[in-house]
Amino acid sequence: KNEVEQSPQNLTAQEEEFITINCSYSVGISALHWLQQHPGGGIVSLFMLSSGKKKHGRLIATINIQEKHSSLHITASHPRDSAVYICAIGRSQGNLIFGKGTKLSVKP
Amino acid sequence: GAGVSQSPRYKVTKRGQDVALRCDPISGHVSLYWYRQALGQGPEFLTYFNYEAQQDKSGLPNDRFSAERPEGSISTLTIQRTEQRDSAMYRCASSLSGARYEQYFGPGTRLTVT
Repeated sequence: KNEVEQSPQNLTAQEEEFITINCSYSVGISALHWLQQHPGGGIVSLFMLSSGKKKHGRLIATINIQEKHSSLHITASHPRDSAVYICAIGRSQGNLIFGKGTKLSVKP
Repeated sequence: GAGVSQSPRYKVTKRGQDVALRCDPISGHVSLYWYRQALGQGPEFLTYFNYEAQQDKSGLPNDRFSAERPEGSISTLTIQRTEQRDSAMYRCASSLSGARYEQYFGPGTRLTVT
């Protein structure tokens, strides 16, 4: 069983839709990371959180430590949001264990 | 300032050859991580360093893989006697110090073993 499970694997949305990507994990963590991988391959850190909720522009990340669950929300989605979104858990020494990613495609 | 850089960006090599992949972290970052990403998959952990000390190499697939960071800055991941299954994107990331700080990723080296 993977330590990090993401859903859905693929997601197609219309522009302006509200999007939710879910992440569940099964081990203790130091923090949870949401990353964005662009079509060109680069990986960018979106959020690092260990409790509660963080917001950056149209992106919101929440985490429930007791339930070992996190969500990434995108409000008013736009075609430029199309990318692979990866959930990763940070272990005590800092190395990350990654989910398989959610491929998001936002249609105009 | 400059981000994490990796070289070469692309490497094609014949089976059996040795390759060395370089990572130049953000200046002042203590922690450096190596990951490998197969096509269509999320990255997987290989090894990491704090300063020049290799703290964990449990993710290295076998003894053909080794890594070093002799002066606590630039790191080299070496794969000896490459095999086709080694083909992947090799990514490096650095952070200020350990688990409390976010990681900054390099652009990766796409390795193809023919």
